[in-house]
Amino acid sequence: GAGVSQSPSNKVTEKGKDVELRCDPISGHTALYWYRQSLGQGLEFLIYFQGNSAPDKSGLPSDRFSAERTGGSVSTLTIQRTQQEDSAVYLCASSSDFHEQYFGPGTRLTVT
Amino acid sequence: QKEVEQNSGPLSVPEGAIASLNCTYSDRGSQSFFWYRQYSGKSPELIMFIYSNGDKEDGRFTAQLNKASQYVSLLIRDSQPSDSATYLCAVLGSSARQLTFGSGTQLTVLP
Repeated sequence: GAGVSQSPSNKVTEKGKDVELRCDPISGHTALYWYRQSLGQGLEFLIYFQGNSAPDKSGLPSDRFSAERTGGSVSTLTIQRTQQEDSAVYLCASSSDFHEQYFGPGTRLTVT
Repeated sequence: QKEVEQNSGPLSVPEGAIASLNCTYSDRGSQSFFWYRQYSGKSPELIMFIYSNGDKEDGRFTAQLNKASQYVSLLIRDSQPSDSATYLCAVLGSSARQLTFGSGTQLTVLP
């Protein structure tokens, strides 16, 4: 049983470019979450998916951020026209219900 | 008032001592409570969860929950240098579907 996987592990991009971050949850987990953690800061909730329900997008910081989850499994977080303040570690987590969440290793995004 | 508050620390304890980490939450209807450990440069790792009032023990770790006081704590017995990390408290609120995390307490266990 593999854990949550994320790719890429590191991404350096120029300001204004679009980026896509991928998350592959634990097999069988119906809920998937995206968080952001800036250096030395706590976890900031971005978005979550539960089964076939409409995603909760209440944490997305701007309309440049979007996410989708295909087939109830893999999710992609897209950031358009990246800004320097988008630099952070983006963490994905999954759970089998609304309870224990298990995190992936994260994607470190650096916007230059 | 933050929804989930933790002492930011840093907290230092000598090897072999008991480390006590505290967390308070504002939503009285919160249902579930979690402790995550995060080593520097790594992602959070779930170490304990507790749903009912009282104590829950797992090895050297004990989680304590007092819903009346809206307080949850984590005790680490016989602390080891390898326990040095940031500990995050997370709460599942009464109406929310996602966890709310505290800002974390940095623990250093001195050899």
